[in-house]
Amino acid sequence: AQSVSQHNHHVILSEAASLELGCNYSYGGTVNLFWYVQYPGQHLQLLLKYFSGDPLVKGIKGFEAEFIKSKFSFNLRKPSVQWSDTAEYFCAVVSNRDDKIIFGKGTRLHILP
Amino acid sequence: NAGVTQTPKFRILKIGQSMTLQCTQDMNHNYMYWYRQDPGMGLKLIYYSVGAGITDKGEVPNGYNVSRSTTEDFPLRLELAAPSQTSVYFCASSPQGVSGNTIYFGEGSWLTVV
Repeated sequence: AQSVSQHNHHVILSEAASLELGCNYSYGGTVNLFWYVQYPGQHLQLLLKYFSGDPLVKGIKGFEAEFIKSKFSFNLRKPSVQWSDTAEYFCAVVSNRDDKIIFGKGTRLHILP
Repeated sequence: NAGVTQTPKFRILKIGQSMTLQCTQDMNHNYMYWYRQDPGMGLKLIYYSVGAGITDKGEVPNGYNVSRSTTEDFPLRLELAAPSQTSVYFCASSPQGVSGNTIYFGEGSWLTVV
């Protein structure tokens, strides 16, 4: 079955620490990949997306993600987190085969000031 | 530009009551979606629509109904509210299908059934 796995359900970091959130998917064929962020009490906002081209994509607020096709991964990174990055992060994948978007279960990131 | 607008933002229902969550978008998007979000479970698709007059079931449609009489509006109806429907509901839209497009989300509706 098609699925998206986010390895860490809850991550706690101190400010200025580096961040990497894992995302793996099990789809065949061409995929579109997304990271969405949900700040406390707010709706989901697009952080970054990969459709084609350079596998290293840069998003808002200093976030980036790298698509590694051989590993079916799209990990999210940020070199130095801020307290304001406290939020829940969702990886999402769309397979061009069936045009359905599947979300991971989310990773809650808590940054200590 | 308002984007995707949902109402109400918060609601408490008694078991067996019915209600409609309203959703409207002003981006002229063809596709619209309703998701529910439960803690630790991510987002689950309830219903979606590819255009006015067309709706289809998602992963978890039981207990819900939708209609799409216009491009702008996609209301979600709960006929007999149950505690299992306590959740956060998000309406979303995209220009076409999700392949090659970004989904835009509303701000969410927090629903509690007691």
